[in-house]
Amino acid sequence: NAGVTQTPKFQVLKTGQSMTLQCAQDMNHNSMYWYRQDPGMGLRLIYYSASEGTTDKGEVPNGYNVSRLNKREFSLRLESAAPSQTSVYFCASSVLTTGELFFGEGSRLTVL
Amino acid sequence: GIQVEQSPPDLILQEGANSTLRCNFSDSVNNLQWFHQNPWGQLINLFYIPSGTKQNGRLSATTVATERYSLLYISSSQTTDSGVYFCAVWTNAGKSTFGDGTTLTVKP
Repeated sequence: NAGVTQTPKFQVLKTGQSMTLQCAQDMNHNSMYWYRQDPGMGLRLIYYSASEGTTDKGEVPNGYNVSRLNKREFSLRLESAAPSQTSVYFCASSVLTTGELFFGEGSRLTVL
Repeated sequence: GIQVEQSPPDLILQEGANSTLRCNFSDSVNNLQWFHQNPWGQLINLFYIPSGTKQNGRLSATTVATERYSLLYISSSQTTDSGVYFCAVWTNAGKSTFGDGTTLTVKP
């Protein structure tokens, strides 16, 4: 039982490049989330998916797109990376949108 | 939106000491969760506690939703307790909001 799995764990991009962060959960959870964490700060919600087929903006959605591919998978795409998107990205899942949250191990992204 | 304030921002303890971390929130919440982020960056679930009191070993938590705060107690602290402790709250909108965390350093 792997829980929440994120790939890649580390990535370096140049400004303007695109990339997709992948997330998969094997806990049969309905809701999935993408957060970013900047140094010395708490986590900020980028996008979430309350259930398969739905996505909603969080606190900091600009510059990102998401896809809920199926119940297990939720991807985050940066179309044109900017240095301000240098951060650690966490995927999470929960049974319901107000339920206990379980996190992946994080993906460290650096945009040069 | 809802504001979440954690205190103190930093805490340094000697091994074996006890501590209390506080989380205040500005509006009604459906749920509240405490996490520990270890020095390797992993986020570990501690408590899912919308109200009441829970205990797990040396850690316990109490949420008083009507007064809009939660407390995390750590007893007999160990060096492995070091890291950042976050609380997160959920509103009716289903969106979570995290506090900025309390950084705990336990010295041997």
